[in-house]
Amino acid sequence: DAMVIQNPRYQVTQFGKPVTLSCSQTLNHNVMYWYQQKSSQAPKLLFHYYDKDFNNEADTPDNFQSRRPNTSFCFLDIRSPGLGDAAMYLCATSRGKTYEQYFGPGTRLTVT
Amino acid sequence: GQQLNQSPQSMFIQEGEDVSMNCTSSSIFNTWLWYKQDPGEGPVLLIALYKAGELTSNGRLTAQFGITRKDSFLNISASIPSDVGIYFCAGRTGGTSYGKLTFGQGTILTVHP
Repeated sequence: DAMVIQNPRYQVTQFGKPVTLSCSQTLNHNVMYWYQQKSSQAPKLLFHYYDKDFNNEADTPDNFQSRRPNTSFCFLDIRSPGLGDAAMYLCATSRGKTYEQYFGPGTRLTVT
Repeated sequence: GQQLNQSPQSMFIQEGEDVSMNCTSSSIFNTWLWYKQDPGEGPVLLIALYKAGELTSNGRLTAQFGITRKDSFLNISASIPSDVGIYFCAGRTGGTSYGKLTFGQGTILTVHP
């Protein structure tokens, strides 16, 4: 089945130790998004790629970076995780900017 | 920026009951999406609405795009235990928007067998 895949599902990292989360999609969608979701809150958009065009949200910390080497894959890099970065990280895709978004299962990040 | 007010925040119902939740905004939206999120999982798209007044069903779920384009509701009929989860509405404005969704705060649904 076509889908959005996130690996790993659970990630533990140490305070200040860089970590990379990955997302892949078999939907061949043009747009890929990264969201941060903290407990009992709605997802918060960090950034998105429209093809290779990167768009950063104004309030996304510089600590967060992203790479999209090809249509299928997108990575979220957290350069120096702090305790406040512990959250669920969700990847989503859409065919175009006006279409519905499909989410992956998420990666739960713990920072020790 | 746009804000969505989703209500109720939580609901406790008996199995078999019908459920209704809604989202309202002071801004006009061109798209309304309804998602369900289970604990530890990503949101799953339930229904997408693209036209004012549109009424769309997906099994026991029915959602409508308000005629003013500032609101939407989701109904669940004959609830079952697996309906438990958090339901989010999300809206998108038109114009130069690149597809950014504004999310409601979520409705936590609990179904008692």
